[in-house]
Amino acid sequence: EVQLLESGGALVQPGGSLRLSCAASGFTFSRFALTWVRQAPGKGLKWVSAITDSGATTYYADSVKGRFTISRDNSENTLFLQMNSLRAEDTAVYYCARAIAGWQLDYWGHGTLVTVSS
Amino acid sequence: QSALTQPASVSGSPGQSITISCTGTSSDVGGYNYVSWYQQHPGKAPKLMIYDVNDRPSGVSDRFSGSKSGNTASLTISGLQAEDEADYYCSSYTSTNNLKVLFGGGTELTVL
Repeated sequence: EVQLLESGGALVQPGGSLRLSCAASGFTFSRFALTWVRQAPGKGLKWVSAITDSGATTYYADSVKGRFTISRDNSENTLFLQMNSLRAEDTAVYYCARAIAGWQLDYWGHGTLVTVSS
Repeated sequence: QSALTQPASVSGSPGQSITISCTGTSSDVGGYNYVSWYQQHPGKAPKLMIYDVNDRPSGVSDRFSGSKSGNTASLTISGLQAEDEADYYCSSYTSTNNLKVLFGGGTELTVL
């Protein structure tokens, strides 16, 4: 069974940093691209970042480019999102998701809540 | 880049059929067959219901179907059931700039 389990969400002050993790199991991790998608309270889904199966190529939404870094450890079956210079508008539930062709997302984690507030 | 356009809400009675539209551009919905639909119940993670415009993952009811015409994709749910009440999001691959995935704003489905 495919499972994705996010962790690392917390309350952080504006300007602070946070590192999210997503532990995967039930599939060959190194064969799949992965993404982060966020959802602000009461709002819709927003794509944040993506990384190819090897980790060689990464992509970012304009709103997080230069502040967030996506990475993966294929030996530990774990996806990461390093978030720096956090802003109030980054407050959201962050989901990791497995990508198939065309960056469609076939499995999602349960999400982890990031709250940016003083 | 703007999100894909979906109606904010739709409703239907049990047993009826409803259709949710998702309008984009030739750079996303109209240009690729990588249109997917996600169902999200309150407090839960999204679930893939349709991919590649009209394919269903294993385990998804055949009451759910997808289609596309030009720059507009559609999700149809037939034989509405109470458990279908949820938010639905469309998504498309995009070739614009560096962005790879666009989502629609979401549609709240109410089963009357």
